[in-house]
Amino acid sequence: QVLLVESGGGVVQPGKSLRLSCAASGFRFSSYGMHWVRQGPGKGLEWLSFMSSDGSTEFYADSVKGRFFVSRDNSRKSLSLQMNSLRGDDTAVYYCAKGDYYVDVWGQGTTVTVSS
Amino acid sequence: DIQMTQSPSSLSASVGDRVTITCRASQDIRNDFGWYQQKPGKAPKGLIYAASRLHSGVPSRFSGSGSGTEFTLTISSLQPEDFATYYCLQHHNYPWTFGQGTKVDIK
Repeated sequence: QVLLVESGGGVVQPGKSLRLSCAASGFRFSSYGMHWVRQGPGKGLEWLSFMSSDGSTEFYADSVKGRFFVSRDNSRKSLSLQMNSLRGDDTAVYYCAKGDYYVDVWGQGTTVTVSS
Repeated sequence: DIQMTQSPSSLSASVGDRVTITCRASQDIRNDFGWYQQKPGKAPKGLIYAASRLHSGVPSRFSGSGSGTEFTLTISSLQPEDFATYYCLQHHNYPWTFGQGTKVDIK
């Protein structure tokens, strides 16, 4: 069974940092590109970041470029998102998702709340 | 960045209705396009990829069409479990971009 499980969410103050993780199982993690997507409360889906299967290529949305950094550890089948300088509008459910040319598997999401 | 304009933003329909949702891209994205369904409190689920191919396990009442800049999702006969929000997504260029979503609720 293909599974993605996010963790690391919580309540954080503006300007602080938080690191999200995504544990993958049930597929050859090292063969697939991975994404982060978020959804603010009552809002639509927003694509955030992509990392290629070997970690050599990454892309970011303008809204998080320079503040968020994606990484992966293929030996541990894990994807991470380091989020720095967090702002109120970063409050959202964060999903990791699998796929190079389209997304076919989503995690259940982890909630990040940025509030003082 | 490629803008995706989805319409309508919401619609009310009855079980058995035929429902059509449209997404327009701001530039030619060939068929690098998909549709996703999301129910409240749940993660999105893939319905269509490459504009017209069904993800595994998706009922055949769902279909996708289009290429270039105009895309359509059709539900041929709406079922109770289809009441949800639907999003389009272009994966032609980074940054990938979603449409604003279409909420389908019960008339």
